[in-house]
Order: sequence, then C-alpha cells, then structure tokens
Amino acid sequence: GNSVTQMEGPVTLSEEAFLTINCTYTATGYPSLFWYVQYPGEGLQLLLKATKADDKGSNKGFEATYRKETTSFHLEKGSVQVSDSAVYFCALSRNSGYALNFGKGTSLLVTP
Amino acid sequence: NAGVTQTPKFQVLKTGQSMTLQCAQDMNHEYMSWYRQDPGMGLRLIHYSVGAGITDQGEVPNGYNVSRSTTEDFPLRLLSAAPSQTSVYFCASSLGQGFEKLFFGSGTQLSVL
Repeated sequence: GNSVTQMEGPVTLSEEAFLTINCTYTATGYPSLFWYVQYPGEGLQLLLKATKADDKGSNKGFEATYRKETTSFHLEKGSVQVSDSAVYFCALSRNSGYALNFGKGTSLLVTP
Repeated sequence: NAGVTQTPKFQVLKTGQSMTLQCAQDMNHEYMSWYRQDPGMGLRLIHYSVGAGITDQGEVPNGYNVSRSTTEDFPLRLLSAAPSQTSVYFCASSLGQGFEKLFFGSGTQLSVL
C-alpha cells in the first residue's frame, strides 16, 4: 500500500533560516501529494499540494515539488518566521478508499 | 461560518465506559472522517463517510462505531473504552466526495484511565 516517510524532528531553526523537511513516499499508481500544517492547539490545515510528477505546490512562501524519479516531496521555505512554528505532515492519496495516508509529522520550532 | 465543530474538547473516561464524540460541519460537505493522532504515529484513519447513510472503515476501526444520519453530523462512538484509546481525535470534512482538501476540527483529547 501507499505510505509516507518523513524526517524525524524536532527541527529548530533561527528566524530567516532556510527550511527543508524531507518526505519520501512509496506508492503504486500516481497518487497526489500534500503538505498539511498543524499549529499549536489546532487541527490540521492544507498547506499545499501537487497532483502529478514535476508539479510544484506553493503557498505562504513554502514550496514542494513532486519528484517521481526520487519518490520525494520535500518541503522548503527560503526564510522561516517564528509564526511558522508548527507540526508539518506529508500525506498522499490512497490507491483505493477515500482517505489520505499521513506521515508521522515533523515538529518545527523557529526562534527569534 | 463555524466550519468543523468537535465536542467535547477534553474528556476523561474510566475503562469500560462508553461515550460519543460529536462532530458537526456547516459547509454542506459530503465527505467526513475521523482520525486519531498518537505521538510518533501521525494520523490514522478510523472511519469515514462519503455521504448520509454511507460509512466505511479506515485502518484502525476496532472499538469504534459511526453513523451518518445527516450530512452535517458524524458522531464517533466508543463502545467500551480502553486505555489504548487514549489519543487526540480529529474530525475532518471535505467538499463533495473528494478527500484531498480536508477541513479539520480542533480535536478532542481523550484519556482513558
């Protein structure tokens, strides 16, 4: 079945640093890929998505490119802010059934 | 527009007790689902529904029941609570029968003693 592997956290960065959170996937077929973000005390919300190979999803300065050759969907941001502190989840659509498979999440802490 | 509303926010149960976690959405979404979030495990799907009267199991359905009598509501029932069900529970909905852009509630933190 489809599955997602994310880098272990927590990740601690200083404000304005460059961010990369790695995500690789295993899938049959052509799943869509997603990044969700969970701010403290809240539910998850969709950050960005890509539906086919070489697509780039982007939102709020975050980007991720669907790389079929490396089965990856790494999340990047050029200059993080304290307000980006959250848990980030990589996810992909399942082969069958109406649901997403989520990774375990990566906690990001940005310090001033 | 309230979005997805979950109640209660916190609950403590004793082993063997039953309870219902409530979930309601006011966006006329066809798709609704329940996930549990455990440390180091990410989110795991418990049950989902693609419309009123239609439900199906996710990857961890044991010990939980659901029903979908209306488009708006999707309650999750714990039949006989066990300590292994201590978790944070999230309800999520999506427009149509699509499941990609999920709108999540703020969660219910459940402790079973």
